[in-house]
Amino acid sequence: QVPLVQSGAEVKKPGASVKVSCKASGYTFTSYDISWVRQATGQGLEWMGWMNPNSGNTAYAQKFQGRVTLTRNTSISTAYMELRSLRSDDTAVYYCARGLLLAADNWFDPWGQGTLVTVSS
Amino acid sequence: DIQMTQSPSSVSASVGDRVTIACRASQGIGSWLAWYQQKPGKAPKLLIYATSSLQSGVPSRFSGSGSGTDFTLTISSLQPEDFATYYCQQANSFPITFGQGTRLEIK
Repeated sequence: QVPLVQSGAEVKKPGASVKVSCKASGYTFTSYDISWVRQATGQGLEWMGWMNPNSGNTAYAQKFQGRVTLTRNTSISTAYMELRSLRSDDTAVYYCARGLLLAADNWFDPWGQGTLVTVSS
Repeated sequence: DIQMTQSPSSVSASVGDRVTIACRASQGIGSWLAWYQQKPGKAPKLLIYATSSLQSGVPSRFSGSGSGTDFTLTISSLQPEDFATYYCQQANSFPITFGQGTRLEIK
């Protein structure tokens, strides 16, 4: 059973929004934090934000403030990342990643398989 | 934000070699450091957390050390499956930040 399964690839036009889902299984969804990390082709890892699925509390990287929203639906053990006002440089693979330990931590394991978001006119 | 700087950016080595990758934080982060391995087309894999704790299932040839601002990842005897890109990550405070990556290539 794969712990985190993400939604499929998306192609969006500049200015549009995208919402990526991350469905958890095999553990208690509300017991572990979830972060979102993205990676442009050939580039490094960039943290976007964090969510506590139990409380719904969030924290975002300053770079994405106002453009990204992390939410969850606890009834279906799914986390969501919505990114608005897409630009070409938002083209990347987007990953969800779970906190490793029950305690609030930001060691990421496991990771979802990644969702490619392509922004192109 | 805490900046994480890895060195070298790339390294060539042979099977059986010992390899060390360094990571420096722009300010002290205690022991709040992790290392990941990433292979092309795959999600990163957690190798080490809290500076030196080996994640379950990770071979013991991987080890981590350091504290404060300077950290190292050591692979004691390279295996063919170890050729990949490695990232350090600080978990001391938001925003979480990663190093730029070190590409480990076959010599």
